[in-house]
Amino acid sequence: AQKITQTQPGMFVQEKEAVTLDCTYDTSDQSYGLFWYKQPSSGEMIFLIYQGSYDEQNATEGRYSLNFQKARKSANLVISASQLGDSAMYFCAMRGSSGYSTLTFGKGTMLLVSP
Amino acid sequence: EPEVTQTPSHQVTQMGQEVILRCVPISNHLYFYWYRQILGQKVEFLVSFYNNEISEKSEIFDDQFSVERPDGSNFTLKIRSTKLEDSAMYFCAGSSSGRFGNEQFFGPGTRLTVL
Repeated sequence: AQKITQTQPGMFVQEKEAVTLDCTYDTSDQSYGLFWYKQPSSGEMIFLIYQGSYDEQNATEGRYSLNFQKARKSANLVISASQLGDSAMYFCAMRGSSGYSTLTFGKGTMLLVSP
Repeated sequence: EPEVTQTPSHQVTQMGQEVILRCVPISNHLYFYWYRQILGQKVEFLVSFYNNEISEKSEIFDDQFSVERPDGSNFTLKIRSTKLEDSAMYFCAGSSSGRFGNEQFFGPGTRLTVL
């Protein structure tokens, strides 16, 4: 079974500052993928970034980067230069290599960016 | 850019009624999923669908639920006799591959309210 843990129910950051959202995971799969999704108040799920378990380099997508520490089973999302539009719920998710690879989500972190 | 669409965006129904939630996945996707998110909680997997049959389902997906892809484009989730606890946001998702590295593209969701 796979498990995603997001220990921060809420985070506050000032505009233009960087923020790190924590995610730890547990799986028995040797190969797996880690994803971050953003859910604004409108409700849709927006893909942000992906990290494969065998990727040697941390993933980056614009202002998003993923701090992947495989030995610690952590996949923290770093948002640089926060913007007001970054205020949303952020979900960490995992997809294993067994079965049909459904996504397992964490409980999410609500990020509020203040001016 | 192709996207997943879902209709309706909001459905209100009486307890005990049947509802059908519709999704049009991206045309080259082969793997389809339904997830639900009860208000304020994490996203939960319901069912995956590949090659015109269910490939995996969660404990939530009991006999009251069914899925089908009637015409090769639409992908539907039917709840036969809705309960109050079925009130949630329902997301359809698709991917071109079942491999762990492939992103799942989510639709905007259908908010189901059972009265």
